[in-house]
Amino acid sequence: QSALTQPASVSGSPGQSITISCTGTSSDVGGYNYVSWYQQHPGKAPKLMIFDVSKRPSGVSDRFSGSKSGNTASLTFSGLQAEDEADYYCSSFTTSNTWVFGGGTRLTVL
Amino acid sequence: DVQLVESGGGLVKPGGSLRLSCAASGFTFSSYTMIWVRQAPGKGLEWVSSVSSYSTSKYYADSVKGRFTISRDDATNSLYLQMNSLRAEDTAVYFCARGPNGSGSHAYYWGQGTLVTVSS
Repeated sequence: QSALTQPASVSGSPGQSITISCTGTSSDVGGYNYVSWYQQHPGKAPKLMIFDVSKRPSGVSDRFSGSKSGNTASLTFSGLQAEDEADYYCSSFTTSNTWVFGGGTRLTVL
Repeated sequence: DVQLVESGGGLVKPGGSLRLSCAASGFTFSSYTMIWVRQAPGKGLEWVSSVSSYSTSKYYADSVKGRFTISRDDATNSLYLQMNSLRAEDTAVYFCARGPNGSGSHAYYWGQGTLVTVSS
């Protein structure tokens, strides 16, 4: 049950587009279309932003999009905004019927 | 409105036990997978355990297998996590969350979390 690999930090300017990657294996990310992404502000509970690789829950801005290629999933922000500054975590279902999270990525809006 | 409210956290000595509860409301509890996720101070999210609808299946992270037990009471819309043989590394905020109704592995609704501190 090794954690998925995410960059520790990314940054961008308002209006910029950026992507956060999430790399796993064929036993998790690559084996299922069950990748999800969460946003977490300090001291708060996580918020679901993307599920099933690319689906957005109602109420989540269409500036957020998800994709997957092989064992790597990605979360893309188009038009970065100040309120996007937060920690982001990817998660996947695994062949062991367990869930696994990534180590998290801190997004800084410059 | 969907609500998840955790309780039962606190300070416990290494080797001790604690039982966390999660009271759910606003949805058909029995139809959903329920999960526990924890977050150690300053660290990332870690999936701990999940129980499928109607308690058909239960799964655990290797780090807690054999020490923690997940259960649910569909009659009272409650989720539990019995934690035994607690270690310092179990110190974390524990969140309960609602998983999918059916296949998948996403959690749309989360509780506010309850802090468990394991220290002598």
